[in-house]
Amino acid sequence: GAVVSQHPSRVICKSGTSVKIECRSLDFQATTMFWYRQFPKQSLMLMATSNEGSKATYEQGVEKDKFLINHASLTLSTLTVTSAHPEDSSFYICSASGTSRETQYFGPGTRLLVL
Amino acid sequence: QKEVEQNSGPLSVPEGAIASLNCTYSDRGSQSFFWYRQYSGKSPELIMSIYSNGDKEDGRFTAQLNKASQYVSLLIRDSQPSDSATYLCASKGGSSNTGKLIFGQGTTLQVKP
Repeated sequence: GAVVSQHPSRVICKSGTSVKIECRSLDFQATTMFWYRQFPKQSLMLMATSNEGSKATYEQGVEKDKFLINHASLTLSTLTVTSAHPEDSSFYICSASGTSRETQYFGPGTRLLVL
Repeated sequence: QKEVEQNSGPLSVPEGAIASLNCTYSDRGSQSFFWYRQYSGKSPELIMSIYSNGDKEDGRFTAQLNKASQYVSLLIRDSQPSDSATYLCASKGGSSNTGKLIFGQGTTLQVKP
């Protein structure tokens, strides 16, 4: 149990385009989902926390207008990187926790490359 | 002072040995503690969670928590080359109580055949 999926696993896009990443909890209801970013050989960096049906809470320094987060249901959250630039190239990972799953379980991650 | 601290390593142990990974935390209000394993290029995978003082065993893994000393550790018995990865310690439920995990910087473990 406690499976979290992400789609796509890898995406390459041109500078200036927008990219949407989906995060799904497959076998539990995720009341809270978290979005992280990780650059090579660096630690996980929390970008934002989203609760189902409410606005996401962004960490300091993360542009909410650039990284749009939607948590429309108890099993799905999306992260949209708007007008992506090469410096946004990174490994984006979501995690989910719920009332029955207090622990955070991570998705497999999405590797974004912006050319 | 970082909220959760780990020695970045690398920690190198021979195959079959016990690997001991340590973590300290600064927020006395932290309630829950987690160990995640992250292979290079992959996302973190939960190994253990621990909430009470003492030891918790799961297969070859034993997590230890000492709230008085604000110390969490992970022991890996009979270490295998496949255990080579970065191990992340995380706390939750501290004074901010936001539900966020506070991660240490991770310890790289190398198990040599």
